[in-house]
Amino acid sequence: DTEVTQTPKHLVMGMTNKKSLKCEQHMGHRAMYWYKQKAKKPPELMFVYSYEKLSINESVPSRFSPECPNSSLLNLHLHALQPEDSALYLCASSQAYGQGTSYEQYFGPGTRLTVT
Amino acid sequence: AQRVTQPEKLLSVFKGAPVELKCNYSYSGSPELFWYVQYSRQRLQLLLRHISRESIKGFTADLNKGETSFHLKKPFAQEEDSAMYYCALRAAGNKLTFGGGTRVLVKP
Repeated sequence: DTEVTQTPKHLVMGMTNKKSLKCEQHMGHRAMYWYKQKAKKPPELMFVYSYEKLSINESVPSRFSPECPNSSLLNLHLHALQPEDSALYLCASSQAYGQGTSYEQYFGPGTRLTVT
Repeated sequence: AQRVTQPEKLLSVFKGAPVELKCNYSYSGSPELFWYVQYSRQRLQLLLRHISRESIKGFTADLNKGETSFHLKKPFAQEEDSAMYYCALRAAGNKLTFGGGTRVLVKP
């Protein structure tokens, strides 16, 4: 299996809702990433997990809460989001993450989130 | 801090014509550059990386450290090349910084 899968494909939520995005890979990768992509803009890194530990948080608001329960799974818990958080949320994985590493990142298809 | 600039938001060419997508970067370290492509309704995928020095789908890109550029070229564009193209730079760790993207439209 050489794909990164993401569920759901689409999500509409109110500002008071709590929801979660899910990402899964079975390539044995030990690094996983969350990106946010606004319309007609490039992906922007949010979080990086390496060996199930949070390595990078790009000053993301606390209403986004990542979780890596095991090496194959990455979640993004959403709570009290704002309409400006509407975007495509991309998950990616790579063999590893760290100084001196250069591994291809494999991207999932994304979850299109709309906050009403 | 690293930065990637793609000056053209849209490139429209006719089928069979050459296409060149510009990418300039600023980075204090030794750069590693990539081109990613996003076809309509498909996921973002790696097209090529400078260290491979290979041609993928007829595309080539050469890293010019003097001009801090990594332009993507194809001598004869095809309709299936229509897509969004992102230049990206790898900084510390495996962190990618993307340029703003260039939409390529190949007309028949």
